Amino acid sequence: GAVVSQHPSRVICKSGTSVKIECRSLDFQATTMFWYRQFPKQSLMLMATSNEGSKATYEQGVEKDKFLINHASLTLSTLTVTSAHPEDSSFYICSARDNSASFYNEQFFGPGTRLTVL
Amino acid sequence: AQSVTQLDSQVPVFEEAPVELRCNYSSSVSVYLFWYVQYPNQGLQLLLKYLSGSTLVKGINGFEAEFNKSQTSFHLRKPSVHISDTAEYFCAVSENNDMRFGAGTRLTVKP
Repeated sequence: GAVVSQHPSRVICKSGTSVKIECRSLDFQATTMFWYRQFPKQSLMLMATSNEGSKATYEQGVEKDKFLINHASLTLSTLTVTSAHPEDSSFYICSARDNSASFYNEQFFGPGTRLTVL
Repeated sequence: AQSVTQLDSQVPVFEEAPVELRCNYSSSVSVYLFWYVQYPNQGLQLLLKYLSGSTLVKGINGFEAEFNKSQTSFHLRKPSVHISDTAEYFCAVSENNDMRFGAGTRLTVKP
């Protein structure tokens, strides 16, 4: 089956620093990737939709200048949390959509990245 | 836009008992439905999905779900649970390739 990886799996950083999270589709090409955020004991909330070669589409209430998304290739999207603060601490999960299917383009999820901002 | 309601935030059950986790959705068009399981500090694992065809869908780990269009439901069931089934379960609906998740149901299996 299709595999999506994320790196790093967990990161701890100081307040004010920037953190980059990578999302890769390992065995398929993904023109569309999605970034979700999950707070403890809560559901996944879609942050943004990342399209290869174009600007990301952000959900209402998500600051695009704080959460920079780059989808430079068909297998890689990155999320950079700029000037991170403790309230940005969360579990970030990406997914990639396999657009090669003729019927339904399924999303495959990465294992998540635990960000802790001190 | 579609939305998903998981009616139970927590479901405690004894080992080897049957369980049903409820999910209702709202959508104005045809949708695709999913159940995912999440173990602590891990990502999502797909249990099963309904795209079309038979309304009874069988998934991994002995789980199954039934799509009921008239009741807009997609409840997850397992006839006999194990301790290892303790996890968070998410129902999700995809409409026009836009996936939305329910709030989750915490299944706790007790010995």
